[in-house]
Amino acid sequence: NAGVTQTPKFRILKIGQSMTLQCAQDMNHNYMYWYRQDPGMGLKLIYYSVGAGITDKGEVPNGYNVSRSTTEDFPLRLELAAPSQTSVYFCASSYSHRVGFNNSPLHFGNGTRLTVT
Amino acid sequence: KQEVTQIPAALSVPEGENLVLNCSFTDSAIYNLQWFRQDPGKGLTSLLLIQSSQREQTSGRLNASLDKSSGRSTLYIAASQPGDSATYLCAVRRENSGGSNYKLTFGKGTLLTVNP
Repeated sequence: NAGVTQTPKFRILKIGQSMTLQCAQDMNHNYMYWYRQDPGMGLKLIYYSVGAGITDKGEVPNGYNVSRSTTEDFPLRLELAAPSQTSVYFCASSYSHRVGFNNSPLHFGNGTRLTVT
Repeated sequence: KQEVTQIPAALSVPEGENLVLNCSFTDSAIYNLQWFRQDPGKGLTSLLLIQSSQREQTSGRLNASLDKSSGRSTLYIAASQPGDSATYLCAVRRENSGGSNYKLTFGKGTLLTVNP
């Protein structure tokens, strides 16, 4: 049981390039999330998904896209990378947070550190 | 808009000391509150989760309390050890009428250093 796995760990992009950050979980979790963490700014939600085929925007979705074709995978796509997207990106998952289910804590991957120059 | 504040931003203590980390939030309509630990270069690890109907949760040397009406939570660490050195973050999940409450609002964290 690997939990939440993110690849790559580090990446340097030039302005205007694109890339996909990979995230996979093996806990059969319904809910998956992408956060970015900037120094002194806390974590901000980019996109989230409540199940395969369903995604929605979080607080800071501009410049990103996601897909959820399977329960396990939730890739984050950056198109036309900009310096403002330099950050550490975390993928997380949880079983369910609906009333009536057990409160499920969030499980995080180890992050992808992205630099755009 | 929910805002989560953690005080202090940094704390340095000698080994063996008991300590308290504070978390406050502006909107008391929360579903639960979660405390995380983050080691340098790593993701967040969930330590304790308190449902809005609970007052506290305990795990080993850690005890988290929740006072929903006053918008406060504390994380108490007993007999601190150098291995406890990390950044501790709290996050609240909001409650909304639809029953779907995906959004977590994070504090900026408290950097704890426990000196041998």
